[in-house]
Amino acid sequence: ETGVTQTPRHLVMGMTNKKSLKCEQHLGHNAMYWYKQSAKKPLELMFVYNFKEQTENNSVPSRFSPECPNSSHLFLHLHTLQPEDSALYLCASSQVSSSYEQYFGPGTRLTVT
Amino acid sequence: AQTVTQSQPEMSVQEAETVTLSCTYDTSESDYYLFWYKQPPSRQMILVIRQEAYKQQNATENRFSVNFQKAAKSFSLKISDSQLGDAAMYFCAYRRTQGGSEKLVFGKGTKLTVNP
Repeated sequence: ETGVTQTPRHLVMGMTNKKSLKCEQHLGHNAMYWYKQSAKKPLELMFVYNFKEQTENNSVPSRFSPECPNSSHLFLHLHTLQPEDSALYLCASSQVSSSYEQYFGPGTRLTVT
Repeated sequence: AQTVTQSQPEMSVQEAETVTLSCTYDTSESDYYLFWYKQPPSRQMILVIRQEAYKQQNATENRFSVNFQKAAKSFSLKISDSQLGDAAMYFCAYRRTQGGSEKLVFGKGTKLTVNP
């Protein structure tokens, strides 16, 4: 285990549903990230939070809404998704401004029907 | 913008043999970090090895070592004495050292199969 947990591990939702993904890190890090992992494509960075402040939004559609209430928790709120949004969503954390690597959670496998 | 290229979508190796996974990258920065991550089937992505660009010495971690060629912008991973547990997707990644952005740029990955 890497010290980063994600729930749920699997999620099936319809295009009109609203759901949230949760990430929690137990490593004392001050930066958290959301990535999207689709088959045969590189991991795509979606959002970055440094010290609870969003510092990067990689042109992500507004149907994805992140929330970082504190340095240990990160949420991704989902609404009116499209089938092409089906993917593995990975959360990661790190210590900013160091050589430390990012630690990844197990991911949430999302299927949009 | 930085890019990372892994030219081998799939590789296979016999147990106990050695295999090398390729990675090239493009950057105008002089100082940066390079990483190899391993993602076993249905398991978490974990760091295999890290290389700082300012260090000439190639990083090693037990059976894993890299061949870092800065001028050629090449960063290959060598796995010695391959084990069944090494079977996974391997991702090469790049990260700047400065600028406040901790953004990792990943390659598309190489799927490694280990044959008994």
